[in-house]
Amino acid sequence: NAGVTQTPKFQVLKTGQSMTLQCAQDMNHEYMSWYRQDPGMGLRLIHYSVGAGITDQGEVPNGYNVSRSTTEDFPLRLLSAAPSQTSVYFCASSYSKGGRITGELFFGEGSRLTVL
Amino acid sequence: EDQVTQSPEALRLQEGESSSLNCSYTVSGLRGLFWYRQDPGKGPEFLFTLYSAGEEKEKERLKATLTKKESFLHITAPKPEDSATYLCAVQPYSGGSNYKLTFGKGTLLTVNP
Repeated sequence: NAGVTQTPKFQVLKTGQSMTLQCAQDMNHEYMSWYRQDPGMGLRLIHYSVGAGITDQGEVPNGYNVSRSTTEDFPLRLLSAAPSQTSVYFCASSYSKGGRITGELFFGEGSRLTVL
Repeated sequence: EDQVTQSPEALRLQEGESSSLNCSYTVSGLRGLFWYRQDPGKGPEFLFTLYSAGEEKEKERLKATLTKKESFLHITAPKPEDSATYLCAVQPYSGGSNYKLTFGKGTLLTVNP
């Protein structure tokens, strides 16, 4: 009963380094998304995908790349890490109902990233 | 631009002391309003979906209600295990934007025994 699995749970990077946060779901959900959560800012959408091969930008996409080659996986890539990207990152997935994606998101446990 | 404002930012209650959390929103056509619970160090957990004004949903000590401008999460006779951050989110109806949920900053609820 895994649901949404994120790895790693914790990561420390130096400015300019790159890395990939992994996200996998086993619920056959079409919709997957990445959010960042910062104190006083709430959850903000970075990128999302409505199916394999389809991705789009959210509210704060700069500095991040995504791809969706399978239904199960939705990795988030930081190209050149900056201290402003220090945050907790959540992956979330959802299903469609009546042909539309619902807002009933299933979240992973989060990945806490620190950029020095 | 869709906006969600939650109040209060923090609420401290004694066990058994009922209260309400508020979520005010502006959205270009509401497809759905969602309540989530988030425990420290965990991802948010879905609680309720509300679709139209006048709708109510209940789960144990929690009841969510919706008007055209705001939603309330009523907590009746809370217990310490209800302590968490409660998040509100809206999903717009319009085109591709219905994939983008907008979240409020949350209300941190602490229930003391």
